[in-house]
Amino acid sequence: AQKITQTQPGMFVQEKEAVTLDCTYDTSDPSYGLFWYKQPSSGEMIFLIYQGSYDQQNATEGRYSLNFQKARKSANLVISASQLGDSAMYFCAMREGGGADGLTFGKGTHLIIQP
Amino acid sequence: DSGVTQTPKHLITATGQRVTLRCSPRSGDLSVYWYQQSLDQGLQFLIQYYNGEERAKGNILERFSAQQFPDLHSELNLSSLELGDSALYFCASSVSSDRANTEAFFGQGTRLTVV
Repeated sequence: AQKITQTQPGMFVQEKEAVTLDCTYDTSDPSYGLFWYKQPSSGEMIFLIYQGSYDQQNATEGRYSLNFQKARKSANLVISASQLGDSAMYFCAMREGGGADGLTFGKGTHLIIQP
Repeated sequence: DSGVTQTPKHLITATGQRVTLRCSPRSGDLSVYWYQQSLDQGLQFLIQYYNGEERAKGNILERFSAQQFPDLHSELNLSSLELGDSALYFCASSVSSDRANTEAFFGQGTRLTVV
């Protein structure tokens, strides 16, 4: 079974609109971390935001926020006031438990911002 | 700039050959992770080293091996290369290895093409 599911292979959004990228996860470990990364066409992986399983508040980093719904096992990324430079692949990832293992990634969402 | 340096950026080699990919982690980071990103498999965790010791193994083939040296740089060795090994190989580093919330910073990747 997939541990990280991103159901939107691609999205088109108008510039300046808010966009929500979906991510659901599957784990039985009470301690885990959820991450979002951005991968522009140049290929590098850029860390955006992190949410811990015990965090009470939703994480925010500038225009990025994470809508964490623990009971639903979802960790959606919200980008406010989208910009042309936000066009990229976006990956949701999880690390479980003690953290010794690497990140498990979803298949990604290709976001295209239109002027 | 994440502070993680990977060399070379691009590598083209023939089937059956052996290559070595190099990674220098961020200053102060003891943990190094290797990932493979291919079109059919997506982003997969390969292996993790912490302060010179192997800490965790993911979907790493037996033809692949890695090590971390006393100066904390790491090398990923890929041997008996096949066409299917063509991929983008990422190195990531983090301060620790045993917490789920440990943020991992990625290098720019090495794009390997096997012909």
